Amino acid sequence: DGGITQSPKYLFRKEGQNVTLSCEQNLNHDAMYWYRQDPGQGLRLIYYSQIVNDFQKGDIAEGYSVSREKKESFPLTVTSAQKNPTAFYLCASSSGGRHYEQYFGPGTRLTVT
Amino acid sequence: GESVGLHLPTLSVQEGDNSIINCAYSNSASDYFIWYKQESGKGPQFIIDIRSNMDKRQGQRVTVLLNKTVKHLSLQIAATQPGDSAVYFCAEIPNFNKFYFGSGTKLNVKP
Repeated sequence: DGGITQSPKYLFRKEGQNVTLSCEQNLNHDAMYWYRQDPGQGLRLIYYSQIVNDFQKGDIAEGYSVSREKKESFPLTVTSAQKNPTAFYLCASSSGGRHYEQYFGPGTRLTVT
Repeated sequence: GESVGLHLPTLSVQEGDNSIINCAYSNSASDYFIWYKQESGKGPQFIIDIRSNMDKRQGQRVTVLLNKTVKHLSLQIAATQPGDSAVYFCAEIPNFNKFYFGSGTKLNVKP
């Protein structure tokens, strides 16, 4: 089955620790995205990547980092510099021909205490 | 489940009735609009899209209306079913790879 996966579904970390969220897709999509979702708010773009080895900051990139070494993978690291890291994180991908149609993963709920 | 539905406007409808969910967008230059459905604990799912040169588009049981004069988008769901219960939100796309998402409306379908 083609799709986009995120792991783990729930993640708990202590304040001050970096944590990496996984995102993998086997849809052969060129573009991948990371969003953050907070209760009562719309999705906000953290980072996106249109091709391998290239990525761009979104609207709320501070305190986050990404890499795109493989087309299938776009991991997100939440660093200790992110002031409010507890949130629901969503990864998405889209193809070059239909970049408007983003396919989302199931999300990772990160709780930092 | 996830708390993404907290503090959102809620629309409650009876099973079988039609639902209308509204969205106001901000950028008059946006060329493309999408409606997503998000069930509790899951990622958003694409429902239907519409380009700015259209004012109506129909899908299976869903219709999207676009009013560019007042920058308003609506999603109509015909014969609403319990499986339609979810948070629905719109996205506007002013340029390539820039999506701006609304905060959403929670649809509650009563059996």
